[in-house]
Amino acid sequence: GAVVSQHPSWVICKSGTSVKIECRSLDFQATTMFWYRQFPKQSLMLMATSNEGSKATYEQGVEKDKFLINHASLTLSTLTVTSAHPEDSSFYICSATQGADSPLHFGNGTRLTVT
Amino acid sequence: GQNIDQPTEMTATEGAIVQINCTYQTSGFNGLFWYQQHAGEAPTFLSYNVLDGLEEKGRFSSFLSRSKGYSYLLLKELQMKDSASYLCAVRTGNTPLVFGKGTRLSVIA
Repeated sequence: GAVVSQHPSWVICKSGTSVKIECRSLDFQATTMFWYRQFPKQSLMLMATSNEGSKATYEQGVEKDKFLINHASLTLSTLTVTSAHPEDSSFYICSATQGADSPLHFGNGTRLTVT
Repeated sequence: GQNIDQPTEMTATEGAIVQINCTYQTSGFNGLFWYQQHAGEAPTFLSYNVLDGLEEKGRFSSFLSRSKGYSYLLLKELQMKDSASYLCAVRTGNTPLVFGKGTRLSVIA
């Protein structure tokens, strides 16, 4: 149980374009999902907390107009990187939990390369 | 503030036992998690401690001392496939997990 699916696994896009990443909880409902970013050999950095039916909560330093998060249902959250730049190239990982006392389960991640 | 410390790198021999330590100073505590992350992959859940003591799960065990702000992950009978980063993470109340920088473990023959 507690499977989180993330799509796509990798994407290459040109600078200035937008990329959408989907995160789905396959066998449980997730009122809250989390989006992390990880640069090579660095720790997971929380970008935002995605709340179903309401606006996402962004961490300090993360541009909400650049990283659009939509949590339209209890099983789906999307992250759209708008006007992507080479410095946005990173490993983006979503996660979800079944409840306050449950562990965080991660999607397989999306490796974004902006050329 | 939130601070989680763990060694950056460790090396151990195949078949041996290795202990990865984690210390934390956080505002509040509601559980400590250990994750394994292979290069280029997402983290996978290993263990969860919310009460003091040792939790054993096969070759992996995790220990917690809340009064000392200390945890360790113990890996027994090391295998080459155990070479990965091991992430310590703390949940404080209802906030998202705070991750340490991870410990890169290299298992050598």
